[in-house]
Amino acid sequence: GESVGLHLPTLSVQEGDNSIINCAYSNSASDYFIWYKQESGKGPQFIIDIRSNMDKRQGQRVTVLLNKTVKHLSLQIAATQPGDSAVYFCAERQNQGGKLIFGQGTELSVKP
Amino acid sequence: SQTIHQWPATLVQPVGSPLSLECTVEGTSNPNLYWYRQAAGRGLQLLFYSVGIGQISSEVPQNLSASRPQDRQFILSSKKLLLSDSGFYLCAWGPRYTEAFFGQGTRLTVV
Repeated sequence: GESVGLHLPTLSVQEGDNSIINCAYSNSASDYFIWYKQESGKGPQFIIDIRSNMDKRQGQRVTVLLNKTVKHLSLQIAATQPGDSAVYFCAERQNQGGKLIFGQGTELSVKP
Repeated sequence: SQTIHQWPATLVQPVGSPLSLECTVEGTSNPNLYWYRQAAGRGLQLLFYSVGIGQISSEVPQNLSASRPQDRQFILSSKKLLLSDSGFYLCAWGPRYTEAFFGQGTRLTVV
């Protein structure tokens, strides 16, 4: 659910390593989930999405895993690059066609 | 292709002054529209969302209001700004059942 008042957790990884960013969502009725990447001073950009009838979806260097039992979402980034440094947010669409609620966000820092 | 325009990019306003931020979308019809606010180093808080002209849902009690006078126009307003209204305001649009696309945001500083 929304944790807008909390400082963002951070994840620091070495360039070339894989990154795993986790997110807990709030509504068991949510049917659609999205991962966004936000660079400083910019609006969030879509990375990958997944519907509730799926457990896993793969994109280019990214994989999203959905565990509906524990209401958990993860984003895996393979071979993390310096350009991947940003804040990553998960979002859930609550009720069919309804509002989009963002999770807390994680700041990813990639060390060269 | 669809595009979203949000302006201005930055705004400095005195306490007690009015506010009007405008967002327009091109290349689509009947989108869901959203206003979010983001405090520095924090997450995105949904302020308002709209599924159609004149249909506005307010998510949090606050000093702000929203209007949708046309299908692809979403306006965020305040009659009197407070210091606590400072933040990064983001407009977004989305088709009914898929992702939302964000504008570049407005950095509002209330002084």
